[in-house]
Amino acid sequence: DTGVSQDPRHKITKRGQNVTFRCDPISEHNRLYWYRQTLGQGPEFLTYFQNEAQLEKSRLLSDRFSAERPKGSFSTLEIQRTEQGDSAMYLCASSPQGAFTEAFFGQGTRLTVV
Amino acid sequence: KQEVTQIPAALSVPEGENLVLNCSFTDSAIYNLQWFRQDPGKGLTSLLLIQSSQREQTSGRLNASLDKSSGRSTLYIAASQPGDSATYLCAATSYNQGGKLIFGQGTELSVKP
Repeated sequence: DTGVSQDPRHKITKRGQNVTFRCDPISEHNRLYWYRQTLGQGPEFLTYFQNEAQLEKSRLLSDRFSAERPKGSFSTLEIQRTEQGDSAMYLCASSPQGAFTEAFFGQGTRLTVV
Repeated sequence: KQEVTQIPAALSVPEGENLVLNCSFTDSAIYNLQWFRQDPGKGLTSLLLIQSSQREQTSGRLNASLDKSSGRSTLYIAASQPGDSATYLCAATSYNQGGKLIFGQGTELSVKP
């Protein structure tokens, strides 16, 4: 098991374009989380899944953002009509189900909107 | 609503010094508290997880404590090394916040040789 994997590691896009990021969690983990982190700040929660069900979405997740986790395996996060304010590190984490479990993070996708 | 605060935002110490990083949280009804390390431009590496029933956890030169009644956790680093330089983040998982982690803003640690 190689841990949580995110792809791509870096993405530069022009304002107004759509981007999609992928996250592959640790294989036996059924919880998957997306966070966004800007420079000098702690990660902010975006959304999370238990298996294929999206259980919670943050108010930070505007209508331009959508996340999916088909079949409860990998997840994608899509941003439509990107804006410069979307520039950030997008982090994915996974954990086993349960209240006392450790979350493991991927290396993140750095998005730059120009 | 759970809020997590880390003070100071930055800390610089000479090599070999023992140091303490602080984390405060507003809602004491937590499942657990987790400490992470983040190197520049990288993801988060889990260091220690303290469950709500525990008072402390240790891993090598690191020791994390949890005091739910006062809403505080500390990360103690013994005999600091330049390789410890990174940003340290704490995150709380609360009963009334579902399963998500609520993060502090981090403490950027610099250990000078």
